[in-house]
Amino acid sequence: EVVLTQSPATLSVSPGERVTLSCRASQSVSSDLAWYRQKPGQAPRLLIYGASTRATGIPARFSGSGSGTEFTLTISSLQSEDFAVYYCQQYNNWPALTFGGGTKVEI
Amino acid sequence: QVQLQESGPGLVKPSETLSLTCTVSGYSISSGYNWGWIRQPPGEGLEWIGSVHYSGITYYSPSLKSRTIVSVDTSKNQFSLRLYSVSAADTAVYYCARFPGSGVRYFDFWSQGTLVTVSS
Repeated sequence: EVVLTQSPATLSVSPGERVTLSCRASQSVSSDLAWYRQKPGQAPRLLIYGASTRATGIPARFSGSGSGTEFTLTISSLQSEDFAVYYCQQYNNWPALTFGGGTKVEI
Repeated sequence: QVQLQESGPGLVKPSETLSLTCTVSGYSISSGYNWGWIRQPPGEGLEWIGSVHYSGITYYSPSLKSRTIVSVDTSKNQFSLRLYSVSAADTAVYYCARFPGSGVRYFDFWSQGTLVTVSS
């Protein structure tokens, strides 16, 4: 099983700031990595797939990068709706899809 | 717009079977794609349970494979989850979701989620 480790666990920031979240895989997953945002009481929403491709309707302030075992999600200017938990998910190791433990972005 | 909605009991007794159904609207399951179940224990992270292709081919998480069955009913545009011999550790919000297919297994549409509590 591929273990995804997200850091930091919690990030305290202010609106308008730039944030960078990290996801590290225990073995290479190539570029088969997705990012999701989960607001309280809601289902996760797909932000990024293929490590760097924005999903439909996702604003340009979200960007993803990385390959192999090291990945980052960057939010260029944090909006109020971005205070949430972010998860990474690998889909290279099939059939054993795994998610990271999440990073909470709080005010 | 693709929409998914779960249905099923919110309370299941220990050792019994958890059964959920996901009804898909806005898209015909028989047109393609894969359909899966993900769960999230209260206050914790996400765990993939299993998935089914519209043809009926299934895939399961190795950790849950021994007590999980996922099936599809294209005539009803639904797919279902059965999790056997449940315990309190299976208490979670259960989501159904879609992923595009072979080699492309991220989830692009999700249901709102339903809390299932395992308790006597």
